[in-house]
Amino acid sequence: NAGVTQTPKFRVLKTGQSMTLLCAQDMNHEYMYWYRQDPGMGLRLIHYSVGEGTTAKGEVPDGYNVSRLKKQNFLLGLESAAPSQTSVYFCASRIGIAYNEQFFGPGTRLTVL
Amino acid sequence: QQQVKQSPQSLIVQKGGISIINCAYENTAFDYFPWYQQFPGKGPALLIAIRPDVSEKKEGRFTISFNKSAKQFSLHIMDSQPGDSATYFCASSGKGGGNKLTFGTGTQLKVEL
Repeated sequence: NAGVTQTPKFRVLKTGQSMTLLCAQDMNHEYMYWYRQDPGMGLRLIHYSVGEGTTAKGEVPDGYNVSRLKKQNFLLGLESAAPSQTSVYFCASRIGIAYNEQFFGPGTRLTVL
Repeated sequence: QQQVKQSPQSLIVQKGGISIINCAYENTAFDYFPWYQQFPGKGPALLIAIRPDVSEKKEGRFTISFNKSAKQFSLHIMDSQPGDSATYFCASSGKGGGNKLTFGTGTQLKVEL
């Protein structure tokens, strides 16, 4: 049982490049979330999903897209990376409506030059 | 955007002392108040959580005190240990909308020998 895993762990992009961050969970959780963490700003929600095939915007969705084609995977895409997207990205999952605890992955450190 | 305000930003406590971190929220519809602990290079992990129907919850050395009328809650770490040195985030969430967590900005705790 690996929990929540994120790929890659580190990435450096040039402005304008695109990339996809992969989050996978093997706990059969319904809900999944993408956050970004910046110094002094805590964690801010980018997008979330309450089930396979569903996605919704969070607090800071601009510049990002997501997909949840399979229950166990939640993909975060950057179509045209900007330096403002330099951050640490965390994925989290949660069983569903009955249980509140979110389980976080180890994070992806992204630098956009 | 509904905020959760957290203080202090950083805290230094002597081993064996009490660490206290405070949070204030705005949205009276919030009904779940967790504290997450994060070590460097790791994702946050749930430490302890409370619902507004109780004023205090204790788990080992960790206690949440909750004041519904003041819309404040705090984390107390008794007998603080060097291994408690980490960043602590308070959060809040309500029903609906994926039960999104709104995080505070974090408190960096250092416990000195």
